[in-house]
Amino acid sequence: DGGITQSPKYLFRKEGQNVTLSCEQNLNHDAMYWYRQDPGQGLRLIYYSQIVNDFQKGDIAEGYSVSREKKESFPLTVTSAQKNPTAFYLCASSIRGKDTGELFFGEGSRLTVL
Amino acid sequence: GQQVMQIPQYQHVQEGEDFTTYCNSSTTLSNIQWYKQRPGGHPVFLIQLVKSGEVKKQKRLTFQFGEAKKNSSLHITATQTTDVGTYFCSRTYKYIFGTGTRLKVLA
Repeated sequence: DGGITQSPKYLFRKEGQNVTLSCEQNLNHDAMYWYRQDPGQGLRLIYYSQIVNDFQKGDIAEGYSVSREKKESFPLTVTSAQKNPTAFYLCASSIRGKDTGELFFGEGSRLTVL
Repeated sequence: GQQVMQIPQYQHVQEGEDFTTYCNSSTTLSNIQWYKQRPGGHPVFLIQLVKSGEVKKQKRLTFQFGEAKKNSSLHITATQTTDVGTYFCSRTYKYIFGTGTRLKVLA
């Protein structure tokens, strides 16, 4: 089945540690996105990538980093510089270029900083 | 910034009552999408509106796009407990999401 796989589903980390969240898709989509969702809040865009080896900052990129070395993969690193990293992280993908394609989301990764 | 706001933030209704959420953009939108996120789940695409004044229906759900393409609404007729969740609108440029409306349906 085609879809988006995020891992891990739950993650705990200590303050000061970097952590990388995985996002893999087999939908052959060019564009991929990372969102952050806080309890009872909306979705805020962290980074997005419309093509391999290229990505742009979203509204809340500070303290995060990404890479897009392969079309299928768009990992997100939450660095120690992110002051309040506890949140629900959602990865999504879409067909690039149409500016009208729907977003397909993974099931999310819930990060808790202890 | 180019924000997309939604009202209300929360809505509690009795089962069978109607529900409406409104989405407003500070800029003209080329098109708008609506998503539903069930509690503990991830957003799922519902529909896309493209034309000025467009109205689309999906069973008990009615979606409208404003004439100026700056606002949109989602109306649910005779809510059911399966309608519980958060409804988001989204512009497709950078896929910026609205703040969402959380719907609770009381049986």
